[in-house]
Amino acid sequence: AQSVTQLGSHVSVSEGALVLLRCNYSSSVPPYLFWYVQYPNQGLQLLLKYTSAATLVKGINGFEAEFKKSETSFHLTKPSAHMSDAAEYFCAVRLFGNEKLTFGTGTRLTIIP
Amino acid sequence: EAGVTQFPSHSVIEKGQTVTLRCDPISGHDNLYWYRRVMGKEIKFLLHFVKESKQDESGMPNNRFLAERTGGTYSTLKVQPAELEDSGVYFCASSAARGQEYDEQYFGPGTRLTVT
Repeated sequence: AQSVTQLGSHVSVSEGALVLLRCNYSSSVPPYLFWYVQYPNQGLQLLLKYTSAATLVKGINGFEAEFKKSETSFHLTKPSAHMSDAAEYFCAVRLFGNEKLTFGTGTRLTIIP
Repeated sequence: EAGVTQFPSHSVIEKGQTVTLRCDPISGHDNLYWYRRVMGKEIKFLLHFVKESKQDESGMPNNRFLAERTGGTYSTLKVQPAELEDSGVYFCASSAARGQEYDEQYFGPGTRLTVT
């Protein structure tokens, strides 16, 4: 069975600073990996996904994530935080041939002006 | 194109009552999923429909939960009778037909259920 661990339920960064949200997964086979974002009163929106192509994945709003098999990690980064990045971020894993997503517990990102 | 919609956005009921949540997927999407997030915990899979058939209901917590998908269009999730631990946010998602390597799941805004 697969699982996802997100380190840090709350992360605060200053506007303009680097954003780093951590995600580690466990899976018996190479999975698909995702980052979703939830803005207040909205549904989950896909930020980016890894589906066994390039290990460095670029997503929307300047976010990117790197799949590191040796570390079983898929950390989310953005070079310069913007106030509009304040939201909750979820890492998720899915196995090939299995439709369901397994999520981490989420990380709430706060941007300090 | 309209996204996934859910109704109601918020429901407050007393323990023992019945609540029905509705999800309207994106038009033409055969796959429909229900997920739930209990406060402070991860979002957990409940079940997956392909058209009107239940493909995977391994995440349904118990027989107080009943999901249906009439004619392969909208879906309802009924909780009867509701218990305090059923409180949380219920998300619905939909994706296009199977057969592709990867079909993105599009999520609705969720229904916040509070059982008092």
